[in-house]
Amino acid sequence: EIVLTQSPDFQSVTPKEKVTITCRASQSIGGNLHWYQQKPDQSPKLLIKYASQSFSGVPSRFSGSGSGTDFTLTINSLEAEDAATYYCHQSSSLPHSFGQGTKLEIK
Amino acid sequence: QVQLQESGPGLVKPSETLSLTCTVSGASITTYYWNWIRQSAGKGLEWIGRVSTSGSTNYNPSLQSRLTMSRDTSKNQFSLKLTSVTAADTAVYYCARVGGAATTGLDYWGQGALVTVSS
Repeated sequence: EIVLTQSPDFQSVTPKEKVTITCRASQSIGGNLHWYQQKPDQSPKLLIKYASQSFSGVPSRFSGSGSGTDFTLTINSLEAEDAATYYCHQSSSLPHSFGQGTKLEIK
Repeated sequence: QVQLQESGPGLVKPSETLSLTCTVSGASITTYYWNWIRQSAGKGLEWIGRVSTSGSTNYNPSLQSRLTMSRDTSKNQFSLKLTSVTAADTAVYYCARVGGAATTGLDYWGQGALVTVSS
């Protein structure tokens, strides 16, 4: 089973700041890595698919990069509405798996 | 507009079977892959398994011995059954669509169904 490890687990940030969240896979997953945003009491929402492809309707301040084992989600010019927990997800091999999540708090 | 809706009992007794159904509208379950994911209180997301376009299934090995997934194409629904539940199975259960190729992201999610295992 592929283990995804995100860092950091928690980050407190100010509006307009640039945020970087990383996801490391325990073995190569190519580009089969996706990012989600989950706000309290809501279902996760797809932000980025295949490491770097923005999902329809997602603000352009969200971007993704990486391949193999190391991936990054970047949020440029953070907004208050971006307070949420972010998860990475690999679909390269079964069983699929998720990272443990990164919680962003807006100061 | 694609919509998914989980349904089933919100309370299940220990050692009994948890049963959930996901009803899909706006897309055919024979055209996409469909996943089940769960989330325990304050915890992260756990991939449970999936149903393919052909109806074949793949399960998380950690649950495989207790898990059965199926689908009803006439109702455009797919289902999950988890036997011999314990308190550790208490979670919000989500159904979600794989948005195209089998390896792409989960683009539509249900609102989630809270299932509590308790006597």
